[in-house]
Amino acid sequence: DAKTTQPTSMDCAEGRAANLPCNHSTISGNEYVYWYRQIHSQGPQYIIHGLKNNETNEMASLIITEDRKSSTLILPHATLRDTAVYYCIVRSRGGGTSYGKLTFGQGTILTVHP
Amino acid sequence: GAVVSQHPSWVICKSGTSVKIECRSLDFQATTMFWYRQFPKQSLMLMATSNEGSKATYEQGVEKDKFLINHASLTLSTLTVTSAHPEDSSFYICSAAGQVEAFFGQGTRLTVV
Repeated sequence: DAKTTQPTSMDCAEGRAANLPCNHSTISGNEYVYWYRQIHSQGPQYIIHGLKNNETNEMASLIITEDRKSSTLILPHATLRDTAVYYCIVRSRGGGTSYGKLTFGQGTILTVHP
Repeated sequence: GAVVSQHPSWVICKSGTSVKIECRSLDFQATTMFWYRQFPKQSLMLMATSNEGSKATYEQGVEKDKFLINHASLTLSTLTVTSAHPEDSSFYICSAAGQVEAFFGQGTRLTVV
């Protein structure tokens, strides 16, 4: 699976959009970009994933550059409860249950302040 | 989304004793589950892949005789930390693969004293 690079930490004001970048310059054609987050002392939570098109769900939007070498996770209206470590993970969807084997980097510590 | 439940949420044990952690998929069958370990201020590290009805696959550097994994049914995997020592104190997290994403348990905080 391709390696990802994320900023160590970011701050965001409550109510504003939080834009979390991720570089994955070695991503290959069959690899997806996944985002998870981990709130302190809890298990990771799935946020969103995409291949090459931009994606949006009830939690966030994912913008993937045309060359797929980087992406940005957007939390449109950050709240205090969005304070967490956000992990950008690249891996192939593949088949079967090996999907769940995820390689976590250090992630970005997002702090949302009042 | 699917629910994966871990038990206990936290446990304190004496050095030299063994501790069992359970991971259950509550609303779907999980042929494969994964066990991670997370030390303070560090990221999650995959320990092993638990396969229903067969032996677990361990990552390099993880002692299979120390971290015993049993996956006897499609909804339950257990991790037993044998002869625990203070350096085994950590946050242990299991996950199960869904059709789109992985579902994680809430984690188990193990403290060995």
